[in-house]
Amino acid sequence: AQTVTQSQPEMSVQEAETVTLSCTYDTSESDYYLFWYKQPPSRQMILVIRQEAYKQQNATENRFSVNFQKAAKSFSLKISDSQLGDAAMYFCAYFFYGQNFVFGPGTRLSVLP
Amino acid sequence: DTAVSQTPKYLVTQMGNDKSIKCEQNLGHDTMYWYKQDSKKFLKIMFSYNNKELIINETVPNRFSPKSPDKAHLNLHINSLELGDSAVYFCASSRQEMNTEAFFGQGTRLTVV
Repeated sequence: AQTVTQSQPEMSVQEAETVTLSCTYDTSESDYYLFWYKQPPSRQMILVIRQEAYKQQNATENRFSVNFQKAAKSFSLKISDSQLGDAAMYFCAYFFYGQNFVFGPGTRLSVLP
Repeated sequence: DTAVSQTPKYLVTQMGNDKSIKCEQNLGHDTMYWYKQDSKKFLKIMFSYNNKELIINETVPNRFSPKSPDKAHLNLHINSLELGDSAVYFCASSRQEMNTEAFFGQGTRLTVV
């Protein structure tokens, strides 16, 4: 079964600085999708960014970008110019066709003013 | 328009009671899911369901049962509630294809007293 690991239970970053959240996963598939979801205190799960495994180019969404290393099965999220509103739980997730979304244990990000 | 909606948002009930959580999606998705988020924020799949197949996580007690009156709805029924059932339950939906993402409801916080 696929597994997703996030080795950083908690991280903190100074406002306006950059932070990187780590994620590794295990799969025998070659074509799959990876996601980062954000869960603020409101509890709503919000998609931050998505990466197709067959694409070598790293996905970017404004201040959010990923470093996708397929061979290493690594998928880190970089948040640039951190804002107070970025404080949340961040979940890395894996999806393969015909299966459910598998989530990592999450990283709690604090943003310090 | 809310894409995935769950009701109720909060549910407090006594041990031994039977309760249901409703979920509706208006995205035309063919697959719906129920996830349980425990006190440590870990998201665990309970069920996934499309118009062809119900997949049950084998660790889910049979007191939990999904009921799908139609493609847009997947309700969660829980019999004989126990203290350990207290958690946040999320409904989600997606297209069952590679270019997809999971859309989540706002979650239902269930407290069993």
